[in-house]
Amino acid sequence: EVQLVESGGGVVRPGGSLRLSCAASGFTFAHYGMSWVRQVPGKGPEWVSGINWNGISTTYADSVKGRFSISRDDAKNSLYLQMDSLRAEDTAFYYCARLMEGYSGSAVDYWGQGTLVTVSS
Amino acid sequence: SYTLTQPLSVSVALGQTARITCGGDNIGSKFVHWYRQRPGQAPVLVIYRDTNRPSGIPERFSGSNSGNTATLTISGAQVGDEADYFCQAWDSGTAAVFGGGTKLTVL
Repeated sequence: EVQLVESGGGVVRPGGSLRLSCAASGFTFAHYGMSWVRQVPGKGPEWVSGINWNGISTTYADSVKGRFSISRDDAKNSLYLQMDSLRAEDTAFYYCARLMEGYSGSAVDYWGQGTLVTVSS
Repeated sequence: SYTLTQPLSVSVALGQTARITCGGDNIGSKFVHWYRQRPGQAPVLVIYRDTNRPSGIPERFSGSNSGNTATLTISGAQVGDEADYFCQAWDSGTAAVFGGGTKLTVL
């Protein structure tokens, strides 16, 4: 059974940093592109960042470019999101998501349960 | 940046057919995916690459995509289909884009 379990969310002050982690199991992690998607309750999801299967290609939403960094450790079956210079508008649930087919154009076929990030003074 | 537009809400009588649209500039040239999200839960993929159903999704769910509109069709709507539905596509191949979501109500 595919499982994606996020951790690392919490409350942080504006300008602060957080590192989210996603532990993957139930599939060959190294074979899949992965993404982070965030969602404010009551709003549509917002794609944040993605990384292809071998980690060579990474892309970011304009809203987080230069502040967030995605990475993966295939030996640990883990995905990460380093979030720096956090702003109030970054407050949301953050989901770890597996890309179904390759990278660009793909659907997300599995989602974690999400971890809440709250940026507030 | 690319924008996907969905109606805020759609209502359908029990057992009838619901259609949820997703508008975008020349969206027919892109693959569109659809997700169902129940309150307090993560989204679930219900249609991928315009018309394909993942395993476990009933045949009542179907999709189409042409011109400037993609459509999710739910036949024989059931109370259990009540949820928020989101469409998704990719912008210039580098960033995924989601629609704002449609709340489906089964009357």
